[in-house]
Amino acid sequence: EPEVTQTPSHQVTQMGQEVILRCVPISNHLYFYWYRQILGQKVEFLVSFYNNEISEKSEIFDDQFSVERPDGSNFTLKIRSTKLEDSAMYFCASSELGGGTDTQYFGPGTRLTVL
Amino acid sequence: AQSVSQHNHHVILSEAASLELGCNYSYGGTVNLFWYVQYPGQHLQLLLKYFSGDPLVKGIKGFEAEFIKSKFSFNLRKPSVQWSDTAEYFCAVRPRNAGNMLTFGGGTRLMVKP
Repeated sequence: EPEVTQTPSHQVTQMGQEVILRCVPISNHLYFYWYRQILGQKVEFLVSFYNNEISEKSEIFDDQFSVERPDGSNFTLKIRSTKLEDSAMYFCASSELGGGTDTQYFGPGTRLTVL
Repeated sequence: AQSVSQHNHHVILSEAASLELGCNYSYGGTVNLFWYVQYPGQHLQLLLKYFSGDPLVKGIKGFEAEFIKSKFSFNLRKPSVQWSDTAEYFCAVRPRNAGNMLTFGGGTRLMVKP
């Protein structure tokens, strides 16, 4: 069964550094998402992406964040200058059609630790 | 904005016990409802979903959930749990015609004692 994959599984970085989290969505899916979960808190939506554009974003997704689909398979989340509060588990998800009766499939997550 | 509450943060059961995990949401319109499970060290997996029709939905591994519109609830049930059901369970809501964003509850950690 096809799965969403994410790399790395764990990333440690210094405050102020840039990080790029990578995801490979399921191959025939058209919608891509990033969510995050700070330790002990809820899973929160960051952004959705369709047709090479951001289709929706939350207030968490400020100018420090960007997303890109650099090629036909990868979907990346970049954090420009990491802060301590960016430490969280970041989940990528993908879905086939978006909206309506669509289902999002999640990757295993990348644990980001900002020191 | 919608919100989702899962009232039980931690549940400990013995094998063969029955399970019910609560999920309530606040949103005035039509919603799609989901339960995801995360086994230790694994990714979020879809257990079941409700879009429309029969409010009692059956999912994988013997789980079911009932949508009660009047109570804004979507509780997850399993008549007899197994040790392998030890995991964290997340309820999620998406308004039907308002984008793709899923709003998650806080999760319930279930431990099943053998």
